[in-house]
Amino acid sequence: DIQMTQSPSSLSASVGDRVTITCRASQSINSYLNWYQQKPGTAPKLLIYSTSSLRSGVPSRFSGSGSGTDFTLTISSLQPEDFATYYCQQSYSTPPVTFGQGTRLEIK
Amino acid sequence: EVQLLESGGGLVQPGGSLRLSCAASGFTFSNYAMSWVRQAPGKGLEWVSSISGSADIKYNADSVKGRFTISRDNSKNTLFLQMNGLRADDTAIYYCAKDIGPPITTDVFDIWGQGTRVTVSS
Repeated sequence: DIQMTQSPSSLSASVGDRVTITCRASQSINSYLNWYQQKPGTAPKLLIYSTSSLRSGVPSRFSGSGSGTDFTLTISSLQPEDFATYYCQQSYSTPPVTFGQGTRLEIK
Repeated sequence: EVQLLESGGGLVQPGGSLRLSCAASGFTFSNYAMSWVRQAPGKGLEWVSSISGSADIKYNADSVKGRFTISRDNSKNTLFLQMNGLRADDTAIYYCAKDIGPPITTDVFDIWGQGTRVTVSS
């Protein structure tokens, strides 16, 4: 199974900051990397798929990059509504589908 | 509007059974693979099971193999998860999720339901 490891596990930042979250796969997953956002008490939402494709309706301040084993999610200028937990997920070698452990983004 | 609505969760004793349902609307249900993903209290996301649009391909996580069965009724636009032999570590919110595809199954989940809570406890 492919293991997904996110860093950091938690992060404090301020509105307007540029934030980067990293996701590393235990083996190459080509570009089959997806990012989800989850706010407390709600279901996850797809933000980015296939490493860098922004889902329709997702603000352009979100972007993704990487290939192989190393990937990043960048928020260019944090907004109040962006404080949430972010998960990466690989869809290259399934089953099983595997998620990272999550990165909690908190207000500083 | 594309929507998924889960039901069937609740409190069950260890060793018991539950059947979760997920009613879909706003898209051609039979064209899309569907999955169940769970989240234990305070924990991350764990994929549980997936089924192709025509129900000919099914996959389960090792943690539920032999105990959980995924199925679908395309005539009723409904996804199911039959859970038998429930254990305390199955306690979680269970989400159904739609694949972003077709025509192929991508394992990218673009629409999620609100979740249904399953608690396994004596």
